[in-house]
Amino acid sequence: GAVVSQHPSWVICKSGTSVKIECRSLDFQATTMFWYRQFPKQSLMLMATSNEGSKATYEQGVEKDKFLINHASLTLSTLTVTSAHPEDSSFYICSATFGTGGNQPQHFGDGTRLSIL
Amino acid sequence: KQEVTQIPAALSVPEGENLVLNCSFTDSAIYNLQWFRQDPGKGLTSLLLIQSSQREQTSGRLNASLDKSSGRSTLYIAASQPGDSATYLCAVRGTYKYIFGTGTRLKVLA
Repeated sequence: GAVVSQHPSWVICKSGTSVKIECRSLDFQATTMFWYRQFPKQSLMLMATSNEGSKATYEQGVEKDKFLINHASLTLSTLTVTSAHPEDSSFYICSATFGTGGNQPQHFGDGTRLSIL
Repeated sequence: KQEVTQIPAALSVPEGENLVLNCSFTDSAIYNLQWFRQDPGKGLTSLLLIQSSQREQTSGRLNASLDKSSGRSTLYIAASQPGDSATYLCAVRGTYKYIFGTGTRLKVLA
């Protein structure tokens, strides 16, 4: 089946640091990638949608200058949390889908737990 | 605006019971509905995907149904096992994105 690899799985860093999270589709070309955020015991909230070669579409309330998304190739998207602060601590999960049709399933990475001290 | 709700929020049952988890959504204009499992601190594992034209999907002890007109889906787990303990999430696919439900935390007692 389709495999999505997310790296790193765990990050602990000091306040003010910028952190980059990678999301790779290993065995298929991901036309669209999604980035989600999950707070403890809550569901996933979509942050942004990125299509290869174009600017990401951010959900309402998500700061695009804070959460930089790059989708430079069909197999890689990155999320950079700039100048991270403790309130940015969360579980971030990416997903990828092939094609733009609405009936395509999403394949999820294993997530990145970000802890800002 | 699509809203997805899951009932119950938490469930604790003895091993061997058959379970029904519920998912409801407010906008029936969906492409598909997907059920996921999430273990603590982990990512999502896809369990079943039901396209909007389908009524149900089955995989092993799992059966998911979809009634798009009433905005409901159920996940049926037969003969539950302690290894089934996890959070179960449903998600509906709209025009371009998934909206996730609030999840049901399941604990199966040995």
